[in-house]
Amino acid sequence: SQQGEEDPQALSIQEGENATMNCSYKTSINNLQWYRQNSGRGLVHLILIRSNEREKHSGRLRVTLDTSKKSSSLLITASRAADTASYFCALRGGAQKLVFGQGTRLTINP
Amino acid sequence: NAGVTQTPKFQVLKTGQSMTLQCAQDMNHNSMYWYRQDPGMGLRLIYYSASEGTTDKGEVPNGYNVSRLNKREFSLRLESAAPSQTSVYFCASSEAISGRGELFFGEGSRLTVL
Repeated sequence: SQQGEEDPQALSIQEGENATMNCSYKTSINNLQWYRQNSGRGLVHLILIRSNEREKHSGRLRVTLDTSKKSSSLLITASRAADTASYFCALRGGAQKLVFGQGTRLTINP
Repeated sequence: NAGVTQTPKFQVLKTGQSMTLQCAQDMNHNSMYWYRQDPGMGLRLIYYSASEGTTDKGEVPNGYNVSRLNKREFSLRLESAAPSQTSVYFCASSEAISGRGELFFGEGSRLTVL
């Protein structure tokens, strides 16, 4: 299966701390994407990293990709209450369809 | 700019009833998708349409049919609903099936089958 495996399944931290989520996969990919889903809402695209890239930044988000280890991480720095959401990695491989992981539920405590 | 619009937002069906979920996008995207989301299962692809006039099965197509009515609209039909189809359904679109492939999602349709 091309599905990403996300770790941890749930993460609870204090506001202001950094949050790190990981995604591991088994097959080769063209790109890996991260999405956020607020409770009861649709998914929103956060960032895309291509297979030939190692790191990308967008605001307080930092994504790394290690194709040798087949893993990616999403770091959210200086977390805020509004960052409380589920975060999904999604893999685009040779079949071109995007396959989503099961997600990490992030809770930011005030 | 509405993005991706899904209707209805909520629906309760009895086993055996049929219904159609509607999806429309106003971003002139070529590709559209239907996913279902179940607790602990992430999102699973039901059907997708790479371009107007084409549709293909995804990971979990059984019990569903789709129609790409035109470039804007992609509908999902349940012919004979079953309790196992209780789920949240998301429609999404992208510029193309390949390349960058960022997906834009609707707000979801919450379906309960009794």
